[in-house]
Amino acid sequence: EDKVVQSPLSLVVHEGDTVTLNCSYEVTNFRSLLWYKQEKKAPTFLFMLTSSGIEKKSGRLSSILDKKELFSILNITATQTGDSAIYLCAVQKGGGSQGNLIFGKGTKLSVKP
Amino acid sequence: GAGVSQSPSNKVTEKGKDVELRCDPISGHTALYWYRQSLGQGLEFLIYFQGNSAPDKSGLPSDRFSAERTGGSVSTLTIQRTQQEDSAVYLCASSVIAGGYNEQFFGPGTRLTVL
Repeated sequence: EDKVVQSPLSLVVHEGDTVTLNCSYEVTNFRSLLWYKQEKKAPTFLFMLTSSGIEKKSGRLSSILDKKELFSILNITATQTGDSAIYLCAVQKGGGSQGNLIFGKGTKLSVKP
Repeated sequence: GAGVSQSPSNKVTEKGKDVELRCDPISGHTALYWYRQSLGQGLEFLIYFQGNSAPDKSGLPSDRFSAERTGGSVSTLTIQRTQQEDSAVYLCASSVIAGGYNEQFFGPGTRLTVL
């Protein structure tokens, strides 16, 4: 059965800290891995990763994929209270079900002032 | 430009009633997805449309759930004879599958509460 597992489930840090969020997966016919940030109801897109070892970066956020060990990490440096959210990892499958994404349960990040 | 929109934003209904949830995707997006997020859970895939057809209905939890899409645009998700366990946020997403890769854009969701 396909699965995406995120850790930790929740995390509390103080402003300025650096955090690393983990996502491991077991999915047949892997095509890509995506990270989303969910603050209220709608997840917003952060990164799409398709190749191992190539870091994607956007401001204080960065992410990398390891297709051999089947995991990805999302790093946030110099955290701010506005980073507080649920961070979702999702894997897109190829083949006949290339449409849907398989989501992990998310990591709830709380950044304290 | 306009993003994905969903209506209603909130729906409270009584057990046993039918509900319809609507999704307007981003113009030009050929793919449309429905997900469900129950309290404390991750997003659960329900159904995927490519144009007006649904190649993947594997996530629909029971035959009380159905969805359609007309004109390659608006989609409705219908839940018949609602049950309390149907209470959740229902999210719709749309995408253009370019080169086989798929960045999905999400709507704000409909919060369904079944009393």
